[in-house]
Amino acid sequence: DIQMTQSPSSLSASVGDRVTITCRPSQSISTYLNWYQQKLGKAPKLLIYAASSLQSGVPSRFSGSGSGTDFTLTISSLQPEDFATYYCQQTYSTPQYTFGQGTRVEIK
Amino acid sequence: EVQLVESGGGLVKPGGSLRLSCAASGFTFTNYSMNWVRQAPGKGLEWVSSISSRSSYLFYADSVKGRFTISRDNAKNSLYLQMNSLRAEDTAVYYCARDKAVGAYDYWGQGTLVTVSA
Repeated sequence: DIQMTQSPSSLSASVGDRVTITCRPSQSISTYLNWYQQKLGKAPKLLIYAASSLQSGVPSRFSGSGSGTDFTLTISSLQPEDFATYYCQQTYSTPQYTFGQGTRVEIK
Repeated sequence: EVQLVESGGGLVKPGGSLRLSCAASGFTFTNYSMNWVRQAPGKGLEWVSSISSRSSYLFYADSVKGRFTISRDNAKNSLYLQMNSLRAEDTAVYYCARDKAVGAYDYWGQGTLVTVSA
C-alpha cells in the first residue's frame, strides 16, 4: 500500500496568513492526488483533484501543486471559514485510495 | 441538487451484523462508481469499499475483506454495505461518496455512526 504522510500534523495561523500543507506519498504517484477539507462533525469536501485542479465552487484562494512524491496545498489568505482539518488522498493505486493522516489548521 | 443520505447505523455487539444504505438523488446514479469511507472517532479517513457503476467491479480494503459486502440497486438509486462479523475496530462514522470518475470523491453523505460494543 502507498503510505501518505502529511506535514505538519497541525498548525496555528491567523486570518490573512498564507498556509502551506505538504503531502508526501511513499512512492511516486504522478499527479494522482486529491485534497479534502473537513470541518468538525461534517463530511469531507473535495477541494483539489489531480494535484492542481480546483473543484467547482471552491474559492480560488485554495491551490494545489506538485507531482511524484511531493505535493502542496496552499491557502493564499486564510479566512475564518478555513479552520478545519485537511486530508490528501492518492488515487494512483486503484482502488486502495489511501488518505493522509490529516493536518489540523487552528486559529492562532 | 446532489444528495447522498446514509442510514442503518447503530449499536451492535461484536460478531454481529448491520446493513448500511445510502440513498442517492439529484444525479444519474447509474453513471457513477460509488464508495464507502469510514472515520473512527477522532481519527482520519479510511477507504472501505468501492463498486463500479454496473456492479462489475467490487473492491475492499484488506481490513474488511471477507466480512463486508458492497452492493447497489440502480433501479432504486441506492448503495448498500452489508457488514458481518463486526469488530470493535469497525466502530466509525461511515460515509458514502460519489466518485467523479477521476478517483476524487466529489459528493459525500452526512455519515452514519456504527458502534460495535458489548
